Amino acid sequence: AQTVTQSQPEMSVQEAETVTLSCTYDTSESNYYLFWYKQPPSRQMILVIRQEAYKQQNATENRFSVNFQKAAKSFSLKISDSQLGDTAMYFCAFLIIQGAQKLVFGQGTRLTINP
Amino acid sequence: DTEVTQTPKHLVMGMTNKKSLKCEQHMGHRAMYWYKQKAKKPPELMFVYSYEKLSINESVPSRFSPECPNSSLLNLHLHALQPEDSALYLCASSQVPGRDTEAFFGQGTRLTVV
Repeated sequence: AQTVTQSQPEMSVQEAETVTLSCTYDTSESNYYLFWYKQPPSRQMILVIRQEAYKQQNATENRFSVNFQKAAKSFSLKISDSQLGDTAMYFCAFLIIQGAQKLVFGQGTRLTINP
Repeated sequence: DTEVTQTPKHLVMGMTNKKSLKCEQHMGHRAMYWYKQKAKKPPELMFVYSYEKLSINESVPSRFSPECPNSSLLNLHLHALQPEDSALYLCASSQVPGRDTEAFFGQGTRLTVV
């Protein structure tokens, strides 16, 4: 079974700082997909960034980047130049494809950006 | 249009009531999902529809009954719920079932069972 672990329940940084959220996972699959989703107080889950396991290059989306260490089964998210609007719950998720798509989420990290 | 629209946004129902949650998308997505999210917890998958057919049921109690009338609509019929069923119910859709395409989520229906 696939599991996703986020070891930081809460984090808080000052605006413009860089913050890294950690995520580890466990799977016996060799080809899979990992995601970071953001859930602000509005409740809507928003995709932040995705990583295909077969790609060695770390994904980057503007201020968001990942450090994907496949052998260590680690998938951390780095947010550079953090902004107040980044305040949200962040979920790491593992995608299982069993004829249909199934996302398995970690427990989440509540990130607060302080002015 | 990259929206998944869920109605209602809030719902309070008694344990003997029958109600339905609705989800709609017009992105041409052929996979649709229901997730349940308890407070301060991650979403948990309930059901998956692929090409309007139920493909995954995560052992959800029969008091939750999903329905996919067409490729744009997904309903969740509720009957005889328990207070512990109170949660945020999220609908999502993705382009092609069985592929690694992005899942788009709605804003959810916050359900309270009294």
